[in-house]
Amino acid sequence: DAGVIQSPRHEVTEMGQEVTLRCKPISGHDYLFWYRQTMMRGLELLIYFNNNVPIDDSGMPEDRFSAKMPNASFSTLKIQPSEPRDSAVYFCASSLKTGRYEKLFFGSGTQLSVL
Amino acid sequence: AQSVAQPEDQVNVAEGNPLTVKCTYSVSGNPYLFWYVQYPNRGLQFLLKYITGDNLVKGSYGFEAEFNKSQTSFHLKKPSALVSDSALYFCAVRDLGGATNKLIFGTGTLLAVQP
Repeated sequence: DAGVIQSPRHEVTEMGQEVTLRCKPISGHDYLFWYRQTMMRGLELLIYFNNNVPIDDSGMPEDRFSAKMPNASFSTLKIQPSEPRDSAVYFCASSLKTGRYEKLFFGSGTQLSVL
Repeated sequence: AQSVAQPEDQVNVAEGNPLTVKCTYSVSGNPYLFWYVQYPNRGLQFLLKYITGDNLVKGSYGFEAEFNKSQTSFHLKKPSALVSDSALYFCAVRDLGGATNKLIFGTGTLLAVQP
């Protein structure tokens, strides 16, 4: 398996522009998570899905952020409009619930810079 | 609320020496604790977990962690450090409710192993 695939690896955009981050989870996994990593706040959970349904979006910073999972093999995180404080590394992770605990498998992340 | 704390931003150790990366936890109920490692420009990778049972847990790459209930700690250890162990290490705890694999991460500790 190729693992969790995220695109793009790097994104540079100007303030006010729309940004779309993409994630392909590991085939067969039923959970998908979006995390954001910054020096100031560390690793924050933004939202997670179970069987394509959003379960908890309490970590989404504000209405400018939205996430979708139209099918089991694809998810997007959109920021509209983007702001410089959104600059961070955004990670997607997936897992399969098989028992009392599950490993998270992370993608390599998208480095977002908003100028 | 469940939480973990990593008191050290950075740990420096010479190659061949033992290493310890500290983590303390605060939980309601039985803790499910994890260690993940992040190499440069990569996503996090699972190292090991404590669910129940033996207090000394063995994981990948020769790492182990000691669960100490009285001190509410879950320190990561390795008998002999390698330069290739240099990375960012995250302690995590499973959140209550919701998905069993919704994790709350610590702020991370940068491990630097000098040759």
